[in-house]
Amino acid sequence: DADVTQTPRNRITKTGKRIMLECSQTKGHDRMYWYRQDPGLGLRLIYYSFDVKDINKGEISDGYSVSRQAQAKFSLSLESAIPNQTALYFCATSDRTSGLTDTQYFGPGTRLTVL
Amino acid sequence: GNSVTQMEGPVTLSEEAFLTINCTYTATGYPSLFWYVQYPGEGLQLLLKATKADDKGSNKGFEATYRKETTSFHLEKGSVQVSDSAVYFCALSPNGYKLSFGAGTTVTVRA
Repeated sequence: DADVTQTPRNRITKTGKRIMLECSQTKGHDRMYWYRQDPGLGLRLIYYSFDVKDINKGEISDGYSVSRQAQAKFSLSLESAIPNQTALYFCATSDRTSGLTDTQYFGPGTRLTVL
Repeated sequence: GNSVTQMEGPVTLSEEAFLTINCTYTATGYPSLFWYVQYPGEGLQLLLKATKADDKGSNKGFEATYRKETTSFHLEKGSVQVSDSAVYFCALSPNGYKLSFGAGTTVTVRA
């Protein structure tokens, strides 16, 4: 079984709808991240969380919110989806005890299309 | 601020050819540097990393050396295979956890 799972894998929705993307991990890591990937822009950090009570904005958090329901679960919500939020979304995890520099482990991604 | 610039693709090669993907960065202090690879339909996975100047990261025949004097971390492989076809991302971390990615370089290896 995959260590980092994302649901759904694909989603098509309409402008104005509320959408939740979910991420679960079995790696036992304390840090979790949400990124979006756009062609020609690489990955950009939306939100990150060091533990259940520690959530931080990334570089492009506007229009998004997150919830860390448990150490293993980190959800990303789009309260009112708009077309420019069409992208590939990745969840990632890392372990603060891994040394000076975290290695991040990525889920398979969710492809979101907003019409 | 922190940023990563990597060579634009796509790059198309024949099997056994030499691959190099250029990556330069802008950062304050001494960031850690990474190469991540994304195979078709999958998430990113760490290919190699270097945490200080002159360190060489290596994995699966790929190598990259942290060059502080030229602020570069170029990826190289001496003989590519079809299975190396993927998107390669250069990234930096100034603090050990947040990553800043380059735009990605698509590599296609033909048999």
